[in-house]
Parts: sequence; C-alpha cells; structure tokens
Amino acid sequence: AQSVTQPDIHITVSEGASLELRCNYSYGATPYLFWYVQSPGQGLQLLLKYFSGDTLVQGIKGFEAEFKRSQSSFNLRKPSVHWSDAAEYFCASSPGAGSYQLTFGKGTKLSVIP
Amino acid sequence: DTGVSQDPRHKITKRGQNVTFRCDPISEHNRLYWYRQTLGQGPEFLTYFQNEAQLEKSRLLSDRFSAERPKGSFSTLEIQRTEQGDSAMYLCASSSPGREREKLFFGSGTQLSVL
Repeated sequence: AQSVTQPDIHITVSEGASLELRCNYSYGATPYLFWYVQSPGQGLQLLLKYFSGDTLVQGIKGFEAEFKRSQSSFNLRKPSVHWSDAAEYFCASSPGAGSYQLTFGKGTKLSVIP
Repeated sequence: DTGVSQDPRHKITKRGQNVTFRCDPISEHNRLYWYRQTLGQGPEFLTYFQNEAQLEKSRLLSDRFSAERPKGSFSTLEIQRTEQGDSAMYLCASSSPGREREKLFFGSGTQLSVL
C-alpha cells in the first residue's frame, strides 16, 4: 500500500526566507507525486505534479519540487517566501496512469513572520 | 470555469439524523471524487465516479454512506444515522478526461458537525 509522510507538522519562516517542505513516499514503483496547498476556507489547489522525466518540476506561485528516487522524496521548495504563502501544504501520491485515488500526507502548516 | 461548488458549506446535525451533501463539478469534467478530511489529517479517498458510474469505493465508506451521480453531472453524498465519528470536512473534486485527468480541482468542502 502507498503511504506519504510529511515529517514536519508546522514550520515557521520569515518573509523573504527560503522554504523547503519535506515529503517521503512509500511505493514499490515510481508513483505520480503532487503538492497541493490549502488556504483557510479554500479548496485544495494543485501547485505542481511529477509523473516522469526531469526530476525538478516547476509549479505555480514560484514553487518547485525535486524528485529523488534514492531517497524516496519529493520536497517542495521556494527561494523567497511571501506572507500570502501561509497555508497548509499537502504532498500526495497515486499509483500511476489511469489511477484515480490520491493518498495524502498529513500536511505541513506554514506560518510566515512578517 | 466556475470551479467545483459544494453545498452546504456547514452542516450541524444530531447523532442519528441523515444528512445529504451536494457537489457540482466543473461542467466538462467527467470524473468526480469524494474525500473526507478530519482535523490534523490529509484528505482520505472515499469514492470515485466516471460519468454516472461509481467505479470505486473505499473501505472507509460504510453501508451508512451512499453516493450518487445520476446524470453524470452533480453528485450527492448521503450519510444515514450519523455518528460523532462522521464529523469531518467532506471534499469533492473533479477532473477532466485526457491528459490532465490526474489534475484534481477541489471544492471548498462541507464541514459536518455531529452533536
């Protein structure tokens, strides 16, 4: 069975600082990997996804993520955080093409200090 | 693109009552999903429709839960004889056919509180 682990429950960074949110997946093959963001009162929004190919993927809002097979990781990064980035971030995986079922991590809440 | 809409936003009910939630997906999306999210957890898959066919149900979906998508457009999720453990945010998502089918668009959810 798939599982997704986000080791950090809550992270606080200063505005303008860099950010890295960790995600580890457990699955025999290479799954499809996703990062979603959830702001209060809003639905989850897809930031980026990885299916295959280039292991560094670019997403919306200046986010990027790097897939590392050797570490079973898919960490999310942003070089300079803005106050509006404060939200909860979820890493998710699915088994692959044609699959419809996402397995989510428990999320990392990001707080931004002005 | 008006987004995925869910109704109601909030529902408070007493234990043992039945509740029904509605989800209107993005109009051209043929895939519709229901997820449940409890406090401090990520969303958990409940069920999936492709057009009007319900193709998969999670073991989380007990026999008190039923979902329908009668004409392949909107969907309803009904919970019968609610229990306090049903208190959660119920999320609906939809996706389009083709290459972007893995990109899910989520609604804002229905927050259920069972007293």
